[in-house]
Amino acid sequence: NAGVMQNPRHLVRRRGQEARLRCSPMKGHSHVYWYRQLPEEGLKFMVYLQKENIIDESGMPKERFSAEFPKEGPSILRIQQVVRGDSAAYFCASSRRNTGNEQFFGPGTRLTVL
Amino acid sequence: AQTVTQSQPEMSVQEAETVTLSCTYDTSENNYYLFWYKQPPSRQMILVIRQEAYKQQNATENRFSVNFQKAAKSFSLKISDSQLGDTAMYFCAFMKEGAGNMLTFGGGTRLMVKP
Repeated sequence: NAGVMQNPRHLVRRRGQEARLRCSPMKGHSHVYWYRQLPEEGLKFMVYLQKENIIDESGMPKERFSAEFPKEGPSILRIQQVVRGDSAAYFCASSRRNTGNEQFFGPGTRLTVL
Repeated sequence: AQTVTQSQPEMSVQEAETVTLSCTYDTSENNYYLFWYKQPPSRQMILVIRQEAYKQQNATENRFSVNFQKAAKSFSLKISDSQLGDTAMYFCAFMKEGAGNMLTFGGGTRLMVKP
């Protein structure tokens, strides 16, 4: 059973470009979470999605950031017009149910903005 | 809102010795879950141990155990017989009961196991 998949593992963008990060949850998991980890810090929650629904986006910056989890295909975290402060590791996690279950993490995508 | 505090930015321990990592949290919730995650240099987040707040018994997983003090809002991790492979960042995390359960992480403790 494959784990949570994220791609790309490393992404380099210049200021003003768009970044698209992909996450495929574990088989049988319908809950997806995105977290951001700045250097030397803990992970910070960004958004919680189920298929075709954003359940909680309280951790998402109000501008330039969006997320989706379509009926078919991976979850996408999209960052428009990237700035240097967006440089971070972005982790996706998935869980089977939404109550107290372990969240399984992907390997993360390290975004570097030049 | 919940907060999680790890007061030890860095710790070191000799191989085969025991080390305890501290974690405190602040919440008004009565039902919740607590976790310790390990992040080795590969950056993969790995669950070490999980505790339900309604359980009085401390969770144990092989060499890893916790000391859960609900009244004090304390959740420390004890690693026995430390191994070189335990070298990693360790994050304490909180999840409240119910829908929309994101994890709230502490700032982490960097543990170095020395040969």
